[in-house]
Amino acid sequence: ELKVEQNPLFLSMQEGKNYTIYCNYSTTSDRLYWYRQDPGKSLESLFVLLSNGAVKQEGRLMASLDTKARLSTLHITAAVHDLSATYFCAVGSMHGATNKLIFGTGTLLAVQP
Amino acid sequence: EAQVTQNPRYLITVTGKKLTVTCSQNMNHEYMSWYRQDPGLGLRQIYYSMNVEVTDKGDVPEGYKVSRKEKRNFPLILESPSPNQTSLYFCASSSQDTYEQYFGPGTRLTVT
Repeated sequence: ELKVEQNPLFLSMQEGKNYTIYCNYSTTSDRLYWYRQDPGKSLESLFVLLSNGAVKQEGRLMASLDTKARLSTLHITAAVHDLSATYFCAVGSMHGATNKLIFGTGTLLAVQP
Repeated sequence: EAQVTQNPRYLITVTGKKLTVTCSQNMNHEYMSWYRQDPGLGLRQIYYSMNVEVTDKGDVPEGYKVSRKEKRNFPLILESPSPNQTSLYFCASSSQDTYEQYFGPGTRLTVT
C-alpha cells in the first residue's frame, strides 16, 4: 500500500529565511505533485515531477525528486509572508490506469514578518 | 477558461436526506475523481472514473455513489448522508496524456 509522509507538519519561519519540506513515499511511483492550499480555497498545482533527478523552480519555491530514495523536497528560499499556506505533496499511484493520487497530510507554513 | 466547477459550494443538510454534488469540467479530460479532505488526514479519494460509464472505488467509497454518463460530468451522490460525511469535497479531472490534475473549488458539506 502506497503511503506518503510529509514533514514537518507545521513550520513557522521568519521572512528571509530558507527551509525545506520533505515528502517520503513508500512504494515506486512515476510522478510526484506539489500543491498549495490557502485557507478555504482549492488546491493550486505548483509542480509535477515525472522523473528521477527532476528539479523545477518557480519564484522562491524549488522542488526536486529522488525516485531511488523515494523522496521529494520543496525548498523555500528567502520566505515572504505571501507564501503562508498549506503545502501538500501527492504521489501518483501506478495501480492500473487510475491516475489516483495519494496525498500527504500537508505542511502548514506560517511566515512571520 | 479551463476549469472544474462544483455545485453547491456550501451545503448544510440533515441525516438521511439524499443529496447530489455536481462536478463538471470543460477540458475534455478522461479522468475524473472525487476526494474528501479532513483535518489531519489530507485528501482521500472516494471514487474515480477513467471515462464514460467506467467508474471504480477509491479508498473511502462507503456511503457514496457516482455516475459518469457524460464525459464532462461526474456527480457525487449521498443516498443517506450521515454526520461522519461532514467534510470538504473536491472534484478533480486530468488528461491521460499529461497527468496534470485540476481541482474544483470545493464543496463544504455539513450533515447534522
